Amino acid sequence: DTGVSQDPRHKITKRGQNVTFRCDPISEHNRLYWYRQTLGQGPEFLTYFQNEAQLEKSRLLSDRFSAERPKGSFSTLEIQRTEQGDSAMYLCANSDRGGEKLFFGSGTQLSVL
Amino acid sequence: GQQLNQSPQSMFIQEGEDVSMNCTSSSIFNTWLWYKQDPGEGPVLLIALYKAGELTSNGRLTAQFGITRKDSFLNISASIPSDVGIYFCAGLNYGGATNKLIFGTGTLLAVQP
Repeated sequence: DTGVSQDPRHKITKRGQNVTFRCDPISEHNRLYWYRQTLGQGPEFLTYFQNEAQLEKSRLLSDRFSAERPKGSFSTLEIQRTEQGDSAMYLCANSDRGGEKLFFGSGTQLSVL
Repeated sequence: GQQLNQSPQSMFIQEGEDVSMNCTSSSIFNTWLWYKQDPGEGPVLLIALYKAGELTSNGRLTAQFGITRKDSFLNISASIPSDVGIYFCAGLNYGGATNKLIFGTGTLLAVQP
């Protein structure tokens, strides 16, 4: 158990609907990441927070995607007007005190029908 | 997005055999990490490497940070059925603005009892 919790574990939605995922990281670790993983691929970086500040966003993060980390604790990732291509595993990760190791949650598996 | 090249893509071995896999990059990294992922779960950190030439073990796992800083290797000795999963390498330039992990394409390991 890495101490990083993600909710829900699975989400099935119809195309065009909005979805929101939540990540609860290890409380004392200030760096939080979102990654996306499609079948047969390694995880790909989406965005990064240091405390409540979103410091980097990948070009993979279209304008339908938004992430927040209010108060520098939990984080949410919202996808608006979902498309079938959004189907993937969405992973949240926290770095340790040193910052060089990332610990991942179990992910949210999104299926867009 | 950028991904590192891992080989082999998949391996099917008998229990007790040793396994070797590698990861190459066109870019230099100052940290290499190896993760294992089970189906439907997030990646779990196995080994972290911080210096070129470093050789680090974790039980039956041994990983090496390549001299050129563009590659890394993972060996598993005396494989057992629970070693089954997908193994990912990841490169990191620790100390940068983001500490963003770049993942490999993965090596699928199947172990026959």
